[in-house]
Amino acid sequence: AQSVTQPDIHITVSEGASLELRCNYSYGATPYLFWYVQSPGQGLQLLLKYFSGDTLVQGIKGFEAEFKRSQSSFNLRKPSVHWSDAAEYFCAVGATSDYKLSFGAGTTVTVRA
Amino acid sequence: GAVVSQHPSWVICKSGTSVKIECRSLDFQATTMFWYRQFPKQSLMLMATSNEGSKATYEQGVEKDKFLINHASLTLSTLTVTSAHPEDSSFYICSAPNRGQYNNEQFFGPGTRLTVL
Repeated sequence: AQSVTQPDIHITVSEGASLELRCNYSYGATPYLFWYVQSPGQGLQLLLKYFSGDTLVQGIKGFEAEFKRSQSSFNLRKPSVHWSDAAEYFCAVGATSDYKLSFGAGTTVTVRA
Repeated sequence: GAVVSQHPSWVICKSGTSVKIECRSLDFQATTMFWYRQFPKQSLMLMATSNEGSKATYEQGVEKDKFLINHASLTLSTLTVTSAHPEDSSFYICSAPNRGQYNNEQFFGPGTRLTVL
């Protein structure tokens, strides 16, 4: 069974500073990996995904993530955060066989002026 | 794009009543849909897999008789919370994989906020 660990429960960053959210996964085969963002009371928006190929993935809103098989990681980065980036971020791993997703516990990002 | 809708977006009901939540794929067909539950400030927990034309598959610990799932067509799945109690209050989210051009990427509905009084 697959699982995801997001070690950071809450991160506070200054507007304009860089952001990195950590994600470690456990899966027996090549995983499908995703990062989603959720604003309060809203559904999930896909930021980016990794299925195969280039291990550095570009997403929306200036986000990118790097798949590192040796470290079982898929960390999310943004060079310069905006106040609108304050939200909950979820990393997820998907099974290639049945499309089920397992989500990490989430990381809350607070952006200070 | 691929869009998934949910109805209603929020519902308040009395304890002991049943509530039906709909999940629709608007511009693609979905033989499989997933139902998640999210408690405040927690992650999404998969409840069940909805299968068109067959019974739903429930995750361990999820009561089948309490959370009835019907995948009526290739674009509609419904979740009925039967005899709802305050502890069932939660945010329910559905998703559907688009097996066409989106390489099985899952698309999520906006969620339904259920409050049981």
